[in-house]
Amino acid sequence: DAKTTQPNSMESNEEEPVHLPCNHSTISGTDYIHWYRQLPSQGPEYVIHGLTSNVNNRMASLAIAEDRKSSTLILHRATLRDAAVYYCIQYSGGGADGLTFGKGTHLIIQP
Amino acid sequence: NAGVTQTPKFQVLKTGQSMTLQCAQDMNHNSMYWYRQDPGMGLRLIYYSASEGTTDKGEVPNGYNVSRLNKREFSLRLESAAPSQTSVYFCASSEVGFLTGANVLTFGAGSRLTVL
Repeated sequence: DAKTTQPNSMESNEEEPVHLPCNHSTISGTDYIHWYRQLPSQGPEYVIHGLTSNVNNRMASLAIAEDRKSSTLILHRATLRDAAVYYCIQYSGGGADGLTFGKGTHLIIQP
Repeated sequence: NAGVTQTPKFQVLKTGQSMTLQCAQDMNHNSMYWYRQDPGMGLRLIYYSASEGTTDKGEVPNGYNVSRLNKREFSLRLESAAPSQTSVYFCASSEVGFLTGANVLTFGAGSRLTVL
């Protein structure tokens, strides 16, 4: 899995939307973008993934740029429980050789 | 709904001692993984098992051995522990979605190991 680039930290207010950016300039046509998050003192948990088009689930939305070199994870209404480290991962679909986690973005939510 | 269970949760070792971290999953996943996480760092892959009967090295395999005992269980062994192996260890399992492109890993709660 190739390297992605994320800001080290971001801060947002409770009940406001949060946009977490990720750059993946070396992405190939068959690479998927996965997002995981890690709450304090827990293991990471899956958030969402996508290939080309925007994706939504109960946790978040994923907006992928048209050239696929960047994406944005959107938390529509942040709560204090969303404070975590968020990892953006470029994954070559079909492989079972694990995911490469960078340092991620530490999201701080202010009440 | 246990998911991925790791034991022990905490362990303190002296340099040179050996120990085995146990991991079991009840989701019938084919693939299992061991990661380590050091303070302020992301997770680094130690070993993985794409399917029962196979194991492969990840990014940081030195000083570790693994055993895929059966489809459910994947253990990590430190034969001669060193202070550099002080870390939090996470086990995970997944079922790769070849049609969906998803690799949804389910992680255990972690095992915190201190080597003195």
